[in-house]
Amino acid sequence: AQSVTQLGSHVSVSEGALVLLRCNYSSSVPPYLFWYVQYPNQGLQLLLKYTTGATLVKGINGFEAEFKKSETSFHLTKPSAHMSDAAEYFCAVSEFSGGYNKLIFGAGTRLAVHP
Amino acid sequence: NAGVTQTPKFQVLKTGQSMTLQCAQDMNHEYMSWYRQDPGMGLRLIHYSVGAGITDQGEVPNGYNVSRSTTEDFPLRLLSAAPSQTSVYFCASSYGRVGRGPYEQYFGPGTRLTVT
Repeated sequence: AQSVTQLGSHVSVSEGALVLLRCNYSSSVPPYLFWYVQYPNQGLQLLLKYTTGATLVKGINGFEAEFKKSETSFHLTKPSAHMSDAAEYFCAVSEFSGGYNKLIFGAGTRLAVHP
Repeated sequence: NAGVTQTPKFQVLKTGQSMTLQCAQDMNHEYMSWYRQDPGMGLRLIHYSVGAGITDQGEVPNGYNVSRSTTEDFPLRLLSAAPSQTSVYFCASSYGRVGRGPYEQYFGPGTRLTVT
């Protein structure tokens, strides 16, 4: 079975600093990988996804992630944090089973941005 | 489009009570699913459906029931509520056609359920 590990349940950065949220996955087949963001009291919103092709994936709000097969990683970065980036971020891997692409989520990383 | 809608937003139940969480989508998506979100555990799949009349179990199905009579609606039933079912519940939908790779799942705003 596939799994996702997010290192660090809480990350705190200063406004304008680099954001780095770590995600490692285990998969026996080439994975489809996702990052979702959850703002307070809201549902999840897709930030970006990797399926095939270019390993550096750009998403919304200036976020990007790089798929590194040799490291089984899909870390999320943003060069300069903004106060509005404070949210919980989830990494997920897609697992095909029963005719359906299930999402296997990591435990999440809560990002705090301080002035 | 309203997207994925869920009702109610909040609910408090007593142990042993039953209730139905409603989910509807207006994007004509084939796939729908229910997740529960618990602190430190991310989201876990409860049940899913690949089309009207077709449902299957996810990772944590015990204590929950689903049906899919229309493309638009996918209600989740709690048969006899237990404190362990205190959680935030999310409904999601997406296009199917697996052969073309996984499509984005669209999530509803969630239902916060407390069982006392």
